[in-house]
Amino acid sequence: GNSVTQMEGPVTLSEEAFLTINCTYTATGYPSLFWYVQYPGEGLQLLLKATKADDKGSNKGFEATYRKETTSFHLEKGSVQVSDSAVYFCALSYAGNNRKLIWGLGTSLAVNP
Amino acid sequence: DAGVIQSPRHEVTEMGQEVTLRCKPISGHDYLFWYRQTMMRGLELLIYFNNNVPIDDSGMPEDRFSAKMPNASFSTLKIQPSEPRDSAVYFCASSFFQGGSPLHFGNGTRLTVT
Repeated sequence: GNSVTQMEGPVTLSEEAFLTINCTYTATGYPSLFWYVQYPGEGLQLLLKATKADDKGSNKGFEATYRKETTSFHLEKGSVQVSDSAVYFCALSYAGNNRKLIWGLGTSLAVNP
Repeated sequence: DAGVIQSPRHEVTEMGQEVTLRCKPISGHDYLFWYRQTMMRGLELLIYFNNNVPIDDSGMPEDRFSAKMPNASFSTLKIQPSEPRDSAVYFCASSFFQGGSPLHFGNGTRLTVT
């Protein structure tokens, strides 16, 4: 079936460090892929997305490339800030029902000054 | 737009009581979703509506849970009777019809059942 696997957290980094959060997926067809971010005490919000293979989504310095050959959508940022501390969720919407997202379990990121 | 509005933000109740969570979606959005978030199970889709009609309620855990959407600007999620294992954060989200349109989440209701 369709599924999303994220690296387990928590991830703790110092400010200005490089960030990678791994996400791999299993899906039939050609899903769309998303990263959502949840700041403390808030709901999730879309960070970036990619809808087809080799697309790169980017926002707020974060990037992720849709790699069909490795079924991956890893999130990266070159220099994290304390304000990036949050929980990051990888998700996919699969062909046939793009309203029903499949979610990863989330990866908690803490950035220390 | 004010975004998705949920109420209350926090709810503490005793086992056996009825709990009603409320949601006002973003105006013009066609879809409304109810999610539950716990540490153990992560984010679970409970039910979603399209144009006020329930489309998929397969995620509703049991008959104690029910959801309604009487009009395009209001939805409720009801738990009767509540149990301690229902303790979680419940999120409402809405979106447009177009595939790939992002979900807009409310800030959630933190439910504690003692």
